[in-house]
Amino acid sequence: DAGVTQSPTHLIKTRGQHVTLRCSPISGHKSVSWYQQVLGQGPQFIFQYYEKEERGRGNFPDRFSARQFPNYSSELNVNALLLGDSALYLCASSLHMVIGTEAFFGQGTRLTVV
Amino acid sequence: GIQVEQSPPDLILQEGANSTLRCNFSDSVNNLQWFHQNPWGQLINLFYIPSGTKQNGRLSATTVATERYSLLYISSSQTTDSGVYFCAVSSPNNAGNMLTFGGGTRLMVKP
Repeated sequence: DAGVTQSPTHLIKTRGQHVTLRCSPISGHKSVSWYQQVLGQGPQFIFQYYEKEERGRGNFPDRFSARQFPNYSSELNVNALLLGDSALYLCASSLHMVIGTEAFFGQGTRLTVV
Repeated sequence: GIQVEQSPPDLILQEGANSTLRCNFSDSVNNLQWFHQNPWGQLINLFYIPSGTKQNGRLSATTVATERYSLLYISSSQTTDSGVYFCAVSSPNNAGNMLTFGGGTRLMVKP
């Protein structure tokens, strides 16, 4: 079975541009979460979606938005890119939102803003 | 929110040595996971261990939830064990089942 897949793997954007990152969860998993990992730090929670609804949001500005589609795949959108948005963006998939469910991560999208 | 601290931050070992990585957390948890991040950034699941002890080959982990810590043991380390090890927890007080990560332990195993 395929694991969590993310696309693209690498991306270079210019300040002020918009970016869309994509994630496909493990087959049968209904929850997708997004994390940002800047160099030298642990991942930080951005969003969680379950059954196409936002179920949690981290401390990120409104330039960050996301959605989940009927097939449970997800997109993360970032508007008006800043240099500080350069990071590894990780998508996590879990079976459901029941407390304590194990999460599985994709390989990430490495975004560089110049 | 819940705080997660990992120690040591950096660790250098000779191949074949054993090591213990520690994760302390500040509140009760309903999920605790250990991950190994490889040089390409992929987070590899090692253990899902909100309580108790588990073993997988040369790796084992113990979580003592009542005392708010978890330990990851690596025995007979190999160069392929190099990378960053993260502990991540979710708390009943968190939104959904979001994970809060520690700062990681950067392990280098020398041949």
